[in-house]
Amino acid sequence: AQSVSQHNHHVILSEAASLELGCNYSYGGTVNLFWYVQYPGQHLQLLLKYFSGDPLVKGIKGFEAEFIKSKFSFNLRKPSVQWSDTAEYFCAVNALRGFKTIFGAGTRLFVKA
Amino acid sequence: DAMVIQNPRYQVTQFGKPVTLSCSQTLNHNVMYWYQQKSSQAPKLLFHYYDKDFNNEADTPDNFQSRRPNTSFCFLDIRSPGLGDAAMYLCATSINRDQYFGPGTRLLVL
Repeated sequence: AQSVSQHNHHVILSEAASLELGCNYSYGGTVNLFWYVQYPGQHLQLLLKYFSGDPLVKGIKGFEAEFIKSKFSFNLRKPSVQWSDTAEYFCAVNALRGFKTIFGAGTRLFVKA
Repeated sequence: DAMVIQNPRYQVTQFGKPVTLSCSQTLNHNVMYWYQQKSSQAPKLLFHYYDKDFNNEADTPDNFQSRRPNTSFCFLDIRSPGLGDAAMYLCATSINRDQYFGPGTRLLVL
């Protein structure tokens, strides 16, 4: 069965610090990979996605993620976080066949001003 | 320009009293999903529709049912809510596997 593992449940950083959130998945076939973000009081929204091609994908607000197929990983990064990045971040995997998407448990990021 | 709308945003029901949550979309997406999300947990897929084709997850309790009368609307019916069903219920739509989420309905069971 597919599963998604996010390494950290809570992360606290100061503004301007660099961010890396880990995500690993288990699925042997071809997948689509996503990071979703949920800002306080708002609904889940897409941050970035990987379908194919360049394994380094760039999303909104300066976020990027790298797909490493050999490690079944899709880690999210941002060189310099801002207070407004405080949110919960979810990694998600969708098998190429079908429409089912599996979410990780989420990582709560708190950025200190 | 709301795209995925969920009503109500908050729902209080009594133990065992049926409740219906609604979701509507203005995106004309052919796939619609219902997720259950409990505190500090991943959204858990309950079922999804591809057009009118209904797909139930194997571990979704029979207590949860869904209806999709047309492309725009989808309903989640909880026939006999238990205390363990208190959660946030998320509706989402998709056309190319990107998912667009509604704000969710928070269900409280007394």
